[in-house]
Amino acid sequence: GGIITQTPKFLIGQEGQKLTLKCQQNFNHDTMYWYRQDSGKGLRLIYYSITENDLQKGDLSEGYDASREKKSSFSLTVTSAQKNEMAVFLCASRNWGQNTLYFGAGTRLSVL
Amino acid sequence: QQQVRQSPQSLTVWEGETAILNCSYEDSTFNYFPWYQQFPGEGPALLISISSVSDKKEDGRFTIFFNKREKKLSLHITDSQPGDSATYFCAASDYAQGLTFGLGTRVSVFP
Repeated sequence: GGIITQTPKFLIGQEGQKLTLKCQQNFNHDTMYWYRQDSGKGLRLIYYSITENDLQKGDLSEGYDASREKKSSFSLTVTSAQKNEMAVFLCASRNWGQNTLYFGAGTRLSVL
Repeated sequence: QQQVRQSPQSLTVWEGETAILNCSYEDSTFNYFPWYQQFPGEGPALLISISSVSDKKEDGRFTIFFNKREKKLSLHITDSQPGDSATYFCAASDYAQGLTFGLGTRVSVFP
């Protein structure tokens, strides 16, 4: 078994602030994902990475940067937090070609 | 345009009843359809999945029915339990990218 650890669990930011969310997995999976979950809008793909140093944009990449410095970790940066923004950011991983996607517990973002 | 649609948005059943969750999709290249279960404060977790070569998949009290011609599938939860209260996401994939998720169905099971 393995686990996906997301930090921090809760993140409160100020409008215009740059905020970084971190994700670590010990499954030894090659592919990692960042999804955004808004109430009533399901899960939307922000970025994914097939291997170390690879980055692919999802449907929601504008306003975000991502970084995959090593196989086990994948970071997401909100480049400029929007006022009153509230969402849960979910990190996930799987091995390319395998079906099951494993999720972390999420980082809950609130912007004041 | 929503590629994966779910209905209803929310569903309430009594303990012991069967809950039926519906899902439809647009892209005919999708060939793998997992259902994820999410409890409050947690990430989604794979519940059950089906590939496009099958029309039914059963796992305990959870069954997926799949109609490829109509691009529809449904998740049946038989003998619903209060512990099944969660949000259920239908998803679809062609392996090329991450999964495409529906908006979810929130299920409440009352004792």
